[in-house]
Amino acid sequence: GNSVTQMEGPVTLSEEAFLTINCTYTATGYPSLFWYVQYPGEGLQLLLKATKADDKGSNKGFEATYRKETTSFHLEKGSVQVSDSAVYFCALSLIQGAQKLVFGQGTRLTINP
Amino acid sequence: ETGVTQSPTHLIKTRGQQVTLRCSSQSGHNTVSWYQQALGQGPQFIFQYYREEENGRGNFPPRFSGLQFPNYSSELNVNALELDDSALYLCASSFLAGEVDTQYFGPGTRLTVL
Repeated sequence: GNSVTQMEGPVTLSEEAFLTINCTYTATGYPSLFWYVQYPGEGLQLLLKATKADDKGSNKGFEATYRKETTSFHLEKGSVQVSDSAVYFCALSLIQGAQKLVFGQGTRLTINP
Repeated sequence: ETGVTQSPTHLIKTRGQQVTLRCSSQSGHNTVSWYQQALGQGPQFIFQYYREEENGRGNFPPRFSGLQFPNYSSELNVNALELDDSALYLCASSFLAGEVDTQYFGPGTRLTVL
């Protein structure tokens, strides 16, 4: 089946630290990969995406590269800010009848000033 | 461009009751998906509607049902509510045209079942 496994949280960092949140996936077929972010009390916002192997998605200083050989899509940011505190979800999407997103369990990130 | 909107924001029901949640798609989108997000978990796919027909369903019982209207807005109906139905219900819209498209989410409806 299709599944996503994310790095266990919560993750707590100091401002300007380097961030990595690991994400690996299992899929039947060739999925598109996404990172969504959820701020407290809100819905999900698309952070970045990649649709094929070796693609790099980037947005707001965050980056992730679609690695088919390791079935991974790790999220990185060089210097985090307090405003990056949120829950981050890795997800894959395939069209199998419906186009559905399969999410990881989420990683809660807290950045201290 | 108007984003995805959902109503109501919060809802409290008692066990056994029925509930209807509403979603308005982003302009230009033809597909609506519904997800259930339990506290501390990732969202789980409930079903998807494309051109007013259900075109895929997750592992949810038949008491979860939906509709999509000609203007691509949608409803999620849940009958015989159970305590475990307490969750954030998220609607997402996209444009389905053969390739995977990005799904854009609304702010969600928080349902509490007592």
